[in-house]
Amino acid sequence: AQSVTQLDSQVPVFEEAPVELRCNYSSSVSVYLFWYVQYPNQGLQLLLKYLSGSTLVKGINGFEAEFNKSQTSFHLRKPSVHISDTAEYFCAVSENDKIIFGKGTRLHILP
Amino acid sequence: EAQVTQNPRYLITVTGKKLTVTCSQNMNHEYMSWYRQDPGLGLRQIYYSMNVEVTDKGDVPEGYKVSRKEKRNFPLILESPSPNQTSLYFCASSFYTGTNIYGYTFGSGTRLTVV
Repeated sequence: AQSVTQLDSQVPVFEEAPVELRCNYSSSVSVYLFWYVQYPNQGLQLLLKYLSGSTLVKGINGFEAEFNKSQTSFHLRKPSVHISDTAEYFCAVSENDKIIFGKGTRLHILP
Repeated sequence: EAQVTQNPRYLITVTGKKLTVTCSQNMNHEYMSWYRQDPGLGLRQIYYSMNVEVTDKGDVPEGYKVSRKEKRNFPLILESPSPNQTSLYFCASSFYTGTNIYGYTFGSGTRLTVV
């Protein structure tokens, strides 16, 4: 069955440091992959998506993610975080008629 | 502006009193879905619809009903709400080609409290 695993429930990182949020999925077929961000007390907003083509995907706010088919991973990265990146980040996989979400990773930015 | 509109944003109700949360999208999306978000449990799908008059259960459908009479609207109905339905609810929509969903646009959420 399709599943999405976000390996870290919380990630603390100092401001201006790089960050990687990890996401692994299980699927036997071609999938579409997404990262969503949820700022405090707000809805979910699409950060970036992989549908096909280049495995390195660039999104909004300086984030990027790399699709690795052999490792079934879609890790999210940012080279230098800002206090405004404080949020919860959700990885998601679309397969056929479903989108399955990971349980989320809370990014805490330390001053 | 392309958007998914949910109403109300906040709702406090009593056990057993029927309620409806409305959801409307202006992007001509085929696919619409309802999720609930609870601490530690992430987002769980309640119901989804692949087109008008086509709906199906998600992972946690018990206690909920939906209908899709028009393409733009997908209301969520709680016939007899109970306290365990206290949650944050999101409506979402997406283009759907019959093979894959192209990525959701989410509504702003409805925070429901059942006392």
